[in-house]
Amino acid sequence: ETGVTQTPRHLVMGMTNKKSLKCEQHLGHNAMYWYKQSAKKPLELMFVYNFKEQTENNSVPSRFSPECPNSSHLFLHLHTLQPEDSALYLCASSLRSPGLAGGGQETQYFGPGTRLLVL
Amino acid sequence: GIQVEQSPPDLILQEGANSTLRCNFSDSVNNLQWFHQNPWGQLINLFYIPSGTKQNGRLSATTVATERYSLLYISSSQTTDSGVYFCAAVFYNQGGKLIFGQGTELSVKP
Repeated sequence: ETGVTQTPRHLVMGMTNKKSLKCEQHLGHNAMYWYKQSAKKPLELMFVYNFKEQTENNSVPSRFSPECPNSSHLFLHLHTLQPEDSALYLCASSLRSPGLAGGGQETQYFGPGTRLLVL
Repeated sequence: GIQVEQSPPDLILQEGANSTLRCNFSDSVNNLQWFHQNPWGQLINLFYIPSGTKQNGRLSATTVATERYSLLYISSSQTTDSGVYFCAAVFYNQGGKLIFGQGTELSVKP
């Protein structure tokens, strides 16, 4: 599936670096999501955006800073990360945001992910 | 609490064998999806199946919502079926969030 793209695919950064992950969806969806997948664990929801507005922050530390300039693009800005933040970061989109009427009933489509290693 | 449980956690098959993966969910759902995560991390949508039965080639899925489980059937397995299979559900009155199970890691040997 190429409807949701993510860059970069791999990233190695030091704990003092600042980097950004980018996600773009070409599906005409209005909701976008960031998930974190640590080794041997299920996906954990981090943030949800609907029409550029954040509707969910799942108790994520402030060293992760999301940005959604429009409904097609989503960024995750990273700064002063810790080694335990190393994981696969997945972006997803759906037509409507969960929390809206019927929004949770729709398929979410995922990007290929960014493998992040924090040294 | 609200949870999604998958079994078995690991499965090794010989090419050509059939298998059944199970997903139990703790409460009523209005969304249930099955995904296949390939070795490169890409999550591929297999089925959107909050209830009923669907088939797509060698794969089929059945969700019995009243009994709170879903099954994914893989027939005539191929080495390309290897990877992790996730079940994910949206529970009523839980803000519409997709809750993932722990996954079943499938390895198909030639």
